[in-house]
Amino acid sequence: KQEVTQIPAALSVPEGENLVLNCSFTDSAIYNLQWFRQDPGKGLTSLLLIQSSQREQTSGRLNASLDKSSGRSTLYIAASQPGDSATYLCAVKDTGNQFYFGTGTSLTVIP
Amino acid sequence: NAGVMQNPRHLVRRRGQEARLRCSPMKGHSHVYWYRQLPEEGLKFMVYLQKENIIDESGMPKERFSAEFPKEGPSILRIQQVVRGDSAAYFCASFTVAGEQFFGPGTRLTVL
Repeated sequence: KQEVTQIPAALSVPEGENLVLNCSFTDSAIYNLQWFRQDPGKGLTSLLLIQSSQREQTSGRLNASLDKSSGRSTLYIAASQPGDSATYLCAVKDTGNQFYFGTGTSLTVIP
Repeated sequence: NAGVMQNPRHLVRRRGQEARLRCSPMKGHSHVYWYRQLPEEGLKFMVYLQKENIIDESGMPKERFSAEFPKEGPSILRIQQVVRGDSAAYFCASFTVAGEQFFGPGTRLTVL
């Protein structure tokens, strides 16, 4: 069974700093990996989707990489802003029907 | 993800009552996933539905929980005889052929 781990569980950085969030998974036979942000009491907002054949995806200040062989993905956030404060979740889709979520990294960007 | 609608946003039930949660996927999408999120825990898969078909319900508790996605109307997650342990946020996600999910705002169920 796929297990998804996100480290660290919480992160606090000053505004303007670049940062990296980590996601690891145990089974490399994945279909895709998706990064989300979740604000308190809200649903999940899709940030980036990386198909299994891709190495990275970029959107604005966000860059996500995927290394299937090592079971790792990173989300890079450049020039962090207070509005980036949220919980960031990664989700791995297996080759069947299921998605597996990590427990998230809670990010606080201090003005 | 603003296109995925869930209602109600908040639902309060007493133990033993029934809870019905509704989800309308994004226009043109015919697949939905339901998840449960407990405090301090990640999202847990419950069921994957296509219109008029349950594709995978392996994450659904065997008793009291059921889901449907009729040809017309929203997908419904039904919890019978609710217990306090059912209190959680329930999310549905609309699913594209590219394998991308778009989430609704969730229904927060509180069982008194």
